Parts: sequence; C-alpha cells; structure tokens
Amino acid sequence: GQQVMQIPQYQHVQEGEDFTTYCNSSTTLSNIQWYKQRPGGHPVFLIQLVKSGEVKKQKRLTFQFGEAKKNSSLHITATQTTDVGTYFCAATGYQKVTFGIGTKLQVIP
Amino acid sequence: DAGVIQSPRHEVTEMGQEVTLRCKPISGHNSLFWYRQTMMRGLELLIYFNNNVPIDDSGMPEDRFSAKMPNASFSTLKIQPSEPRDSAVYFCASSFGWETQYFGPGTRLLVL
Repeated sequence: GQQVMQIPQYQHVQEGEDFTTYCNSSTTLSNIQWYKQRPGGHPVFLIQLVKSGEVKKQKRLTFQFGEAKKNSSLHITATQTTDVGTYFCAATGYQKVTFGIGTKLQVIP
Repeated sequence: DAGVIQSPRHEVTEMGQEVTLRCKPISGHNSLFWYRQTMMRGLELLIYFNNNVPIDDSGMPEDRFSAKMPNASFSTLKIQPSEPRDSAVYFCASSFGWETQYFGPGTRLLVL
C-alpha cells in the first residue's frame, strides 16, 4: 500500500535558524498536502501541491514537490516561536490519503 | 460556517464500556474522515466516507470499532467494548472530494 516516510521526527532549532522537513514516497503521488498542528490543537491545512516540480511560497514557508512526484519538502526560513508545532505531509493517490508521522518542531527563543 | 463539530471533546470511561464519538461535517462537503492520533502511531486514517458511503475502512483496528454516516450532516464512531489501548485523540475531518481536509477539534478519549 501507499506509504509516506517523513523525516526528521523531531527538530529543535534556535529562533532565527532555518528548518526543513522532508516527505518521501515509494509510489507516484497524485498530490501532496501539508498541515500544521499546534500543541493541543488539530491539523490545519497549509497548502496543496499538484504539479511535478511545483514550488509554492507562503511568507517564510517554501513548499516543493519533486519532479517525479515522489517527494516533497517544507522549508521555513528564519524560524519564529510561532512556528512551533508538528508539520505533517499527506499524500493522496489511488483513492487513499496517507499522513506522514509528522515532524515536531521546537523553536528555542 | 462553524467548521467541523465533534462531541464530546473529552471522554473518560472504563474498560468494557461503549464509547460513541460524534461528528458534524462542514455543510456541502461530501467526504468525511475519521482519524486516530497517538504518540506512538501518529495520525492514522480509520475510515472515510464519500457521499455517506464508506469507501475504505481498512484502517479500522478491529471489530470493536464501527462507523456510520446516516446522512450528510452526521457521523458516529463507536467502540464497543472499549480497551485502554484505545486511548487517543480521535479527529473527524471533512472535505469536498480529495481537496483540503478541515479537521474538527478532536475528542480526547481515555479508557481506564
């Protein structure tokens, strides 16, 4: 079945440092979505990538979809304490949706 | 729109008891998802419905779990009998097709 590997599981960064989380699949994906979950909260949609090689930006966040549509990344430039939370990728394909394990980001002030 | 509504928000019960979780999706959405989240296993898709019909329930752990969607505005997830290992946060999410999923606030279940 469809599996999505997400790394790293945990990341501690100093405020102002950059952060990247990666999502990899063994199968070609229809699209990939990214969600953020604040501590004690629920996942909130950030963005969806559909096209091969697609790059989208939201302020300090940059999302990429690989050329083969098997991997994706989320990069945060100059992290802030408001970026704290767990970031999930979610892959859809073959009438299924699979979430990655998530990357828990801690930002040290 | 009020978003996805889940009830109860917290549930504490004893092993062996029946637990029923409820979800009201966003009006107009035709897909509904039930997820379970634990520290060990992350966010797991249990079942999803499209147009009130269960499409994939391969994530349902075992026969103790059942889910229904009698109409477009209501779904339930039932655990009978409950066990301590069922303790988790259960999320309901809705969407239009495979587009953005909107998650409810979750039900935090503790089975003693």
